[in-house]
Amino acid sequence: AQSVSQHNHHVILSEAASLELGCNYSYGGTVNLFWYVQYPGQHLQLLLKYFSGDPLVKGIKGFEAEFIKSKFSFNLRKPSVQWSDTAEYFCAVNVMEYGNKLVFGAGTILRVKS
Amino acid sequence: DVKVTQSSRYLVKRTGEKVFLECVQDMDHENMFWYRQDPGLGLRLIYFSYDVKMKEKGDIPEGYSVSREKKERFSLILESASTNQTSMYLCASTLAGLNQPQHFGDGTRLSIL
Repeated sequence: AQSVSQHNHHVILSEAASLELGCNYSYGGTVNLFWYVQYPGQHLQLLLKYFSGDPLVKGIKGFEAEFIKSKFSFNLRKPSVQWSDTAEYFCAVNVMEYGNKLVFGAGTILRVKS
Repeated sequence: DVKVTQSSRYLVKRTGEKVFLECVQDMDHENMFWYRQDPGLGLRLIYFSYDVKMKEKGDIPEGYSVSREKKERFSLILESASTNQTSMYLCASTLAGLNQPQHFGDGTRLSIL
């Protein structure tokens, strides 16, 4: 079965620290990859997505992610976090053969200390 | 901007009750989804629909059913609510075709007593 693994469930950082959240998936076929963010009390929002082309994708609010096909990974990065980045982050994978279904990781709760 | 509206933000029901969760989207999206979100488990797909009157089971359909009588509305039904269905329920929608990101509602936090 398809699965998506997010390595850390809780991450605590100080402002201006660099962030990297890991995401690995288990499916070997053609995939689309997403990172969603859920700020406290808000709905899930799309942070960035990868469909094809340049494996380094840039999203909103200074986030970026790199697709490494050989490692089945799609890690999220930000060079310098802010207090307002406190949120829960979800990696999701869409397997193209299965249509529009998404498989989500368990989520990573990021707390940024001011 | 896409708007996905879930009828209730918070809901408290008793075991054995029949519970309806409603979701409406205003962008003429073909695809609609119901997930439940639990700490440490992420989002798990319950049911989805690619068209009116069409439904497909997701990963955890047991104890749930759905209804899609109109394109903009997708209802999740708990036929006989149980305490293990206490959770946050999220509705999402997308346009047809691949590579379409999902747009989410605010969620309904359902407690079954």
